[in-house]
Amino acid sequence: SAVISQKPSRDICQRGTSLTIQCQVDSQVTMMFWYRQQPGQSLTLIATANQGSEATYESGFVIDKFPISRPNLTFSTLTVSNMSPEDSSIYLCSVTGGPGGYTFGSGTRLTVV
Amino acid sequence: AQSVTQLGSHVSVSEGALVLLRCNYSSSVPPYLFWYVQYPNQGLQLLLKYTTGATLVKGINGFEAEFKKSETSFHLTKPSAHMSDAAEYFCAVSDTGDDKIIFGKGTRLHILP
Repeated sequence: SAVISQKPSRDICQRGTSLTIQCQVDSQVTMMFWYRQQPGQSLTLIATANQGSEATYESGFVIDKFPISRPNLTFSTLTVSNMSPEDSSIYLCSVTGGPGGYTFGSGTRLTVV
Repeated sequence: AQSVTQLGSHVSVSEGALVLLRCNYSSSVPPYLFWYVQYPNQGLQLLLKYTTGATLVKGINGFEAEFKKSETSFHLTKPSAHMSDAAEYFCAVSDTGDDKIIFGKGTRLHILP
């Protein structure tokens, strides 16, 4: 299965600023997925990122707030823009290496103060 | 669109008793189904998954789940609970196994001594 390196592992940010989270995969994958896990909650899908096309956002998430880049088949970034304390969450990326073979990054724990 | 319902946000069982965590899914196609466990302040760990074939799936740590198409269910069981089983459990579904994976809201399992 694929191995994902996600950075940073945690950060504390000032409100109004932006943070870019990176996910590097050790193999080429078609789709990458970005999730948010708010404190005490489940994982919610933010968007699906395909290389060479615009990301597809789930209901409740917009590109202006969570811009995503997918420059090649092994890398993606998620930016959390104009942050507020409500954005404090764990953000995770995920890929699938075959039917049912999902791998998740270790997550970025974001605290907005 | 696929969805998952986990019955019971909190479940308490005595050590040594049967663990039963309920999951019902909605999918327009034969689904891929997953159970993940998350220990406090840790990442997701795959317990087991159903892709195709045998409907009774055995996972790690003595857990198993049975896919019942007629009931659209994928309940997680363990014959004898251990204190170390205390954690958050997430049921998840994917339509194709290569597409996005959608999580239920989670069930917090408490083990009583």
